Amino acid sequence: QVQLQESGPGLVEPSGTLSLTCAVSGYSISSGHWWSWVRQPPGKGLEWIGEIDYSGSPIYSPSLKSRLTISVDKSKNQFSLNLSSVTAADTAVYYCARQGTYTSDYWGQGILVTVSS
Amino acid sequence: QSALTQPPSASGSPGQSVTISCTGTISDVGGYNYVSWYQQHPGKAPKLMIYEVSKRPSGVPDRFSGSKSGNTASLTVSGLQAEDEADYYCSSYAGSTYVFGTGTKVTVL
Repeated sequence: QVQLQESGPGLVEPSGTLSLTCAVSGYSISSGHWWSWVRQPPGKGLEWIGEIDYSGSPIYSPSLKSRLTISVDKSKNQFSLNLSSVTAADTAVYYCARQGTYTSDYWGQGILVTVSS
Repeated sequence: QSALTQPPSASGSPGQSVTISCTGTISDVGGYNYVSWYQQHPGKAPKLMIYEVSKRPSGVPDRFSGSKSGNTASLTVSGLQAEDEADYYCSSYAGSTYVFGTGTKVTVL
């Protein structure tokens, strides 16, 4: 069974960098698929952030591209998200997911990240 | 890249059917047969219910069905049950990126 687990700081200061990691178990990232990040501000809808394939090629949301880096560490079977220059608008629950056929078939439980001083 | 448009709410009595629409453009919903639907209960992660417009993952009841016409996709939940009360989001491939819908809260009366 494929499982994903997000980890990282729950509080980030404004203008700082939000860094999260998604650990994958039950499936080897090196075997394929794309791996994505989605976020959900409190009380609001889902927003696609970006994704990366097993070879390390990322695709970013145009609205976040200038601040975003997604990377993969096949040796640790995990992938990561770095979002720079954060503001309160970046406060959200961040989910990682596995991309099946143009769909997110397995999701992590999510992690709440609050941007505040 | 604007969010896909969904009605904010929908409701139905147990046993009835409810249909949720998801309207996009030719650049997303209308251009690809890659529309997905997700169910989200409060405080939980989204769960895939429909992919590629009308396909159901293993374990999803056949009460859930999807369709598409032009730039609008639809999710129908037949034989509503109490556990179907949740938020539902559509999503579409948009040519290298993805876009989600605004979300619909389904209430079982």
